[in-house]
Amino acid sequence: GNSVTQMEGPVTLSEEAFLTINCTYTATGYPSLFWYVQYPGEGLQLLLKATKADDKGSNKGFEATYRKETTSFHLEKGSVQVSDSAVYFCALSDEDNFNKFYFGSGTKLNVKP
Amino acid sequence: DTAVSQTPKYLVTQMGNDKSIKCEQNLGHDTMYWYKQDSKKFLKIMFSYNNKELIINETVPNRFSPKSPDKAHLNLHINSLELGDSAVYFCASSPGVVLNTEAFFGQGTRLTVV
Repeated sequence: GNSVTQMEGPVTLSEEAFLTINCTYTATGYPSLFWYVQYPGEGLQLLLKATKADDKGSNKGFEATYRKETTSFHLEKGSVQVSDSAVYFCALSDEDNFNKFYFGSGTKLNVKP
Repeated sequence: DTAVSQTPKYLVTQMGNDKSIKCEQNLGHDTMYWYKQDSKKFLKIMFSYNNKELIINETVPNRFSPKSPDKAHLNLHINSLELGDSAVYFCASSPGVVLNTEAFFGQGTRLTVV
């Protein structure tokens, strides 16, 4: 079956620190991969996506590379800001069932000034 | 204009009551979903409709009944509410059978059962 596993949080960093949030997946086919962000009190917003192996998704200084050999899609940012404090969700959609999205458990990021 | 809108944003009700949450999308998408987010932020799909047809129905108590009057609307009705139903419920939509597209989420409805 399909599943997504993320590192547990919370992750606490100082402003301008380097961020990595690990995400690995299990899928029967060739999924598309996504990172969503949820700011306090809000819904989920798409942060970035990658649709095939070796693709790199990027947005707002965040990056993630679709690694088929390690079934990973780790989220990185070189210098975090206080405004990046949120919950980050890794997700996949399955090519055989692309009406269904599978989400990881979310990783809360706290960035301190 | 809000792409996916759900109402109400907050809902506080007593155990045993029946309540509905409404969702509308103006993106022209074919597929709509309901997700439940528990207190630990875990997101679990409940239902999905494609062009008004139910296509995903996860293991959800039959007190929960989705209704899709047209492809732009997917409402969630909950009978005999229980304390464990307290959560944030998210509506979402996607183009459906188009590969590599993301889901768009509403702002959520925080349901508190007392």
